[in-house]
Amino acid sequence: DTEVTQTPKHLVMGMTNKKSLKCEQHMGHRAMYWYKQKAKKPPELMFVYSYEKLSINESVPSRFSPECPNSSLLNLHLHALQPEDSALYLCASSQAPGLRRDYGYTFGSGTRLTVV
Amino acid sequence: QKEVEQDPGPLSVPEGAIVSLNCTYSNSAFQYFMWYRQYSRKGPELLMYTYSSGNKEDGRFTAQVDKSSKYISLFIRDSQPSDSATYLCAMSLNNNDMRFGAGTRLTVKP
Repeated sequence: DTEVTQTPKHLVMGMTNKKSLKCEQHMGHRAMYWYKQKAKKPPELMFVYSYEKLSINESVPSRFSPECPNSSLLNLHLHALQPEDSALYLCASSQAPGLRRDYGYTFGSGTRLTVV
Repeated sequence: QKEVEQDPGPLSVPEGAIVSLNCTYSNSAFQYFMWYRQYSRKGPELLMYTYSSGNKEDGRFTAQVDKSSKYISLFIRDSQPSDSATYLCAMSLNNNDMRFGAGTRLTVKP
């Protein structure tokens, strides 16, 4: 298995809703990431989990709450979002951070989120 | 100054042309350099990965890293319409904090 699977593919939520995005990989990668991508813009790093521990939080608002239940799963819990949070949310994974390998990150296809 | 600079294009070339894409960066501590291809409404797909300086070739794709000039390049030979996509350069300090360039939108016309 060489894929990162993200669910759901599309999500529409109201500003008072609570929802979760899910990400799963079975490549034995020990680093997992959340990125946010607005239309025609590059992905922006949100969170990094290394060995199931949060190692980087790029000053993301608390209405985004990441969770890494185990080495294969990564969740992003959403609460009280704003319309400007509408974007493509990408999950990625990689070999253990800082480990030199001929690999980069493997990205999922993303969840397209619309906040109404 | 942005950490990673990339001309967003758009870039349009005829089929069979050699395509040259490049990025500059400001942080001399970057060690990992990557190129990704992203089709519309899809996640980025890794094309090339280079650690430190040097060249790397994979089929029609060649990646070059010049750390002294803080400049990286991706060359696509014999370009095909299926190469039409957005190409993103990316780099990181220790492979766990990757930063992307703006992406260059490429169209290869038949």
